[in-house]
Amino acid sequence: GESVGLHLPTLSVQEGDNSIINCAYSNSASDYFIWYKQESGKGPQFIIDIRSNMDKRQGQRVTVLLNKTVKHLSLQIAATQPGDSAVYFCAENGGSNYQLIWGAGTKLIIKP
Amino acid sequence: DVKVTQSSRYLVKRTGEKVFLECVQDMDHENMFWYRQDPGLGLRLIYFSYDVKMKEKGDIPEGYSVSREKKERFSLILESASTNQTSMYLCASSLPRGQPYGYTFGSGTRLTVV
Repeated sequence: GESVGLHLPTLSVQEGDNSIINCAYSNSASDYFIWYKQESGKGPQFIIDIRSNMDKRQGQRVTVLLNKTVKHLSLQIAATQPGDSAVYFCAENGGSNYQLIWGAGTKLIIKP
Repeated sequence: DVKVTQSSRYLVKRTGEKVFLECVQDMDHENMFWYRQDPGLGLRLIYFSYDVKMKEKGDIPEGYSVSREKKERFSLILESASTNQTSMYLCASSLPRGQPYGYTFGSGTRLTVV
């Protein structure tokens, strides 16, 4: 079936290093992808999005890369900080007018 | 600051009770969603609505119903709460497709059914 999946459920990164969180998607109709961050006890918060006519988009300390050939999405966080500790979700629109298809989430742990 | 507000952060209800979870958004969004989130299962869609008085079943609608009488408010109803409905419930809203339509989420309601 259609799905968005993550390669690693938990990622541990040294503070100050760069983090890379990966996501695979399977729906070729998807043309919009989003990354969300969910801190403990809070709802998911929008980080960055990308449309399928792009392969890279940069925000503040974050970069999303889209490889449509292999249906792969990644989130790069530069100079990881303790405040980056959270669960990160990728999502795709799957061609739907209303819904997003969600990945299972990756927990990012920052080592001091 | 735009916002999705869920009326309760924590709720404890008894088995068999009728439970109402309320969600209000101030962004004039057309679409609204109810998810439940459980450890290891990610976000699962219960119901969504793309217009006032419109509703569509998501992936796990059994045991739930919804109401959208006004554009800004989307209510989730547990007709007869059961212990397997103990979960974190998240409400979200978004613009229609074709516009920058990432979801905005509320802070969640952690429901415990005893």
